[in-house]
Amino acid sequence: DQQVKQNSPSLSVQEGRISILNCDYTNSMFDYFLWYKKYPAEGPTFLISISSIKDKNEDGRFTVFLNKSAKHLSLHIVPSQPGDSAVYFCASYGGATNKLIFGTGTLLAVQP
Amino acid sequence: DTAVSQTPKYLVTQMGNDKSIKCEQNLGHDTMYWYKQDSKKFLKIMFSYNNKELIINETVPNRFSPKSPDKAHLNLHINSLELGDSAVYFCASSRGRVRQPQHFGDGTRLSIL
Repeated sequence: DQQVKQNSPSLSVQEGRISILNCDYTNSMFDYFLWYKKYPAEGPTFLISISSIKDKNEDGRFTVFLNKSAKHLSLHIVPSQPGDSAVYFCASYGGATNKLIFGTGTLLAVQP
Repeated sequence: DTAVSQTPKYLVTQMGNDKSIKCEQNLGHDTMYWYKQDSKKFLKIMFSYNNKELIINETVPNRFSPKSPDKAHLNLHINSLELGDSAVYFCASSRGRVRQPQHFGDGTRLSIL
């Protein structure tokens, strides 16, 4: 029962272009969403988050958009850089517990 | 100045053995977690402690026992290791127990022979 889904296992983008990573969730009780970046042999690193009271949050080259009616969020990276090549995880909090539920990740490759 | 550190980074052992993984954070956080990342790369919460109190205990075999001697440490002891325990185990911490970003260690890769 996958409550957070990242349907694209991988994405390849040219350096300087926009990377768009997508995430869908099924539980309408989810109210706080996070994106993590993970390099091989390292732990996930927190990138950016968004609360359900907002529909957009921006931090430098990273912007997260939330569409509550569609239960969909996306991470935009502009411009993409080779150092952005990593696995990106979407994660959600919600409901009565403090459990962070992760998606299965999307491998982003930024080509020089 | 590592924020969340786990030891060991790699652990190779025989089926049936007992092993421990240690985790320490120097961020001043009061909530710590253990996650398991399986072969399908799926990260799933196992346990969480807030100020040494167990607050999340997922459906994990009794062979797994977390211990938090203080707010900065959360260890994981595993008895009678099985082949299916092979995975990467991540420790994490956060400030508070509600809607806070979690900071992760670099993981412990456990391989059962």
